[in-house]
Amino acid sequence: NAGVMQNPRHLVRRRGQEARLRCSPMKGHSHVYWYRQLPEEGLKFMVYLQKENIIDESGMPKERFSAEFPKEGPSILRIQQVVRGDSAAYFCASSLGGAGSYEQYFGPGTRLTVT
Amino acid sequence: AQSVSQHNHHVILSEAASLELGCNYSYGGTVNLFWYVQYPGQHLQLLLKYFSGDPLVKGIKGFEAEFIKSKFSFNLRKPSVQWSDTAEYFCAADSGGYQKVTFGTGTKLQVIP
Repeated sequence: NAGVMQNPRHLVRRRGQEARLRCSPMKGHSHVYWYRQLPEEGLKFMVYLQKENIIDESGMPKERFSAEFPKEGPSILRIQQVVRGDSAAYFCASSLGGAGSYEQYFGPGTRLTVT
Repeated sequence: AQSVSQHNHHVILSEAASLELGCNYSYGGTVNLFWYVQYPGQHLQLLLKYFSGDPLVKGIKGFEAEFIKSKFSFNLRKPSVQWSDTAEYFCAADSGGYQKVTFGTGTKLQVIP
């Protein structure tokens, strides 16, 4: 049973370009979470999605960031017009359920570098 | 606001030493608590979790943690560390409604052979 998959593992973008990060949850999981880890900081919650629905995006910057989890295919975190401050590791997690005692399983992360 | 604090940012121990990593949380009401570990070059793995019941929780690889509600703490312990425990450890919490998990800033543990 494959774990949570993220690609690419490393992504380099110039300022102003778009970054697309993909996350395929574990088989059978329909709840996806995105976190960002800045250097020397812990993981910060960004957004929680279920299939075709954004449940909580309270951790997402208001501009340039968006996320989706379509009925088919991976969840996508999209960052438009990237800036140097977007350089970070972005982790995706998935769980079987969204409430109660469901463990989140993490992917290996995508390390975004903005030059 | 909900928060999780880890006061030790970097800990260095010799093999066989005992380990205790501090974690304090600031949550009202129901809280679920977790410790995750990130070994060098690997992704986050769950070490142990507390949802309810016995406040002393045992996890993988000989780790345990104790939930002390009166102190808002969930410290991680291991009686005798090994070189292979060198990793970064994250304490985390959620409010139990759904799993919007809040993480601490992490503690880097270095175990010297």
